[in-house]
Amino acid sequence: DIVMTQTPSSQAVSAGEKVTMSCKSSQSLLYSENKKNYLAWYQQKPGQSPKLLISWASTRESGVPDRFIGSGSGTDFTLTISSVQAEDLAVYYCEQYYDTPLTFGSGTKLEIK
Amino acid sequence: EVQLVESGGGLVQPGRSLKLSCAASGFTFSNYYMAWVRQAPKKGLEWVATISTSGSRTYYPDSVKGRFTISRDNAKSSLYLQMNSLKSEDTATYYCARHVEFITTFDYWGQGVMVTVSS
Repeated sequence: DIVMTQTPSSQAVSAGEKVTMSCKSSQSLLYSENKKNYLAWYQQKPGQSPKLLISWASTRESGVPDRFIGSGSGTDFTLTISSVQAEDLAVYYCEQYYDTPLTFGSGTKLEIK
Repeated sequence: EVQLVESGGGLVQPGRSLKLSCAASGFTFSNYYMAWVRQAPKKGLEWVATISTSGSRTYYPDSVKGRFTISRDNAKSSLYLQMNSLKSEDTATYYCARHVEFITTFDYWGQGVMVTVSS
């Protein structure tokens, strides 16, 4: 199974600050034939279902604010929020869909100071 | 508007069975792979099962293989999860989710249904 490791487990930032969170996979998620990274990011706000933010490591879903930026390739990925807003309070999960079993990271909890 | 509405959760004793349902609307259900994803209390997300558009192919992690069965009824736009030999570690909120395509990301999720396995 592909193990997804997210760091940090939690972090607190002030509104307007930039935040980055990491996701590392135990094997490469880059498929050589199409040069795509099979990595997604989800946001789960308190009491809500997860919401897909980014797929293919860096493609924002429709309606997702452009302050959410996904980057990385292979085994190392990053989610950056360029200017955190109060409504970004949530747990962020990465997920690999390169192979089954589909696996998620343990999440990064974002708190707003 | 895409909607996924789960039902069938509740309290069940270890070793017993439970069947979850998910009613889908707002899209052509038969065109999409569908899945169940669970989340234990205060824990992360765990993929539980995926089913192909026709229902002919199913996929499970080892943690539930042989105990859980995913199925669908395209005529009713409904997804199901039959859970047998339930264990305490199956206690979780179960989400019905739609795959974007094949077995890729999940673009829509239901609100979730709670399953508690306890004596």
